[in-house]
Amino acid sequence: DTAVSQTPKYLVTQMGNDKSIKCEQNLGHDTMYWYKQDSKKFLKIMFSYNNKELIINETVPNRFSPKSPDKAHLNLHINSLELGDSAVYFCASSQETAHEQFFGPGTRLTVL
Amino acid sequence: AQRVTQPEKLLSVFKGAPVELKCNYSYSGSPELFWYVQYSRQRLQLLLRHISRESIKGFTADLNKGETSFHLKKPFAQEEDSAMYYCAPPNSGGYQKVTFGIGTKLQVIP
Repeated sequence: DTAVSQTPKYLVTQMGNDKSIKCEQNLGHDTMYWYKQDSKKFLKIMFSYNNKELIINETVPNRFSPKSPDKAHLNLHINSLELGDSAVYFCASSQETAHEQFFGPGTRLTVL
Repeated sequence: AQRVTQPEKLLSVFKGAPVELKCNYSYSGSPELFWYVQYSRQRLQLLLRHISRESIKGFTADLNKGETSFHLKKPFAQEEDSAMYYCAPPNSGGYQKVTFGIGTKLQVIP
């Protein structure tokens, strides 16, 4: 009965590769997010997406692209991975008006 | 944009001592605010929201409009309280408003 799930849990890859992280929520929420948590535990939002609009954080490099095949999924695709992309990436979801966010378990990305 | 500030990156207390994790907000009105907790290598989860005025795991948080604060308090710290704590405003439809505080690491010393 996992509410928000992410795959993979760990991802180790070489610089320059392209990778994707998948996120699924079974809560029926309208809004999904991607966050990046760095080594200092600072949590930074990358994208917010609902069935109306994708809101892009302009500080996120365009190598990062979210893709939502349907309301329950928001995948994160990363092109040309760099060392600085190493972090834990969290997916989350919420109802548009309910405010509370539910987080996935995180994907620890290591770029070598 | 709605912003919250957590002035302390690290707070160390002894077991049994009182805990206060600070959070200040910078916008007017009666904001809904949340505290999220992240235990070691686990996902973030909601700890409490001010609108519910409940106590979770012994923690409480009161909105102080005069001081624009929403500090998280617990009278007696337990070792299992060691975690990262994030103060956050609500999602109001735009990412610009979903800005978590920098987080405070609470370390409870046995």
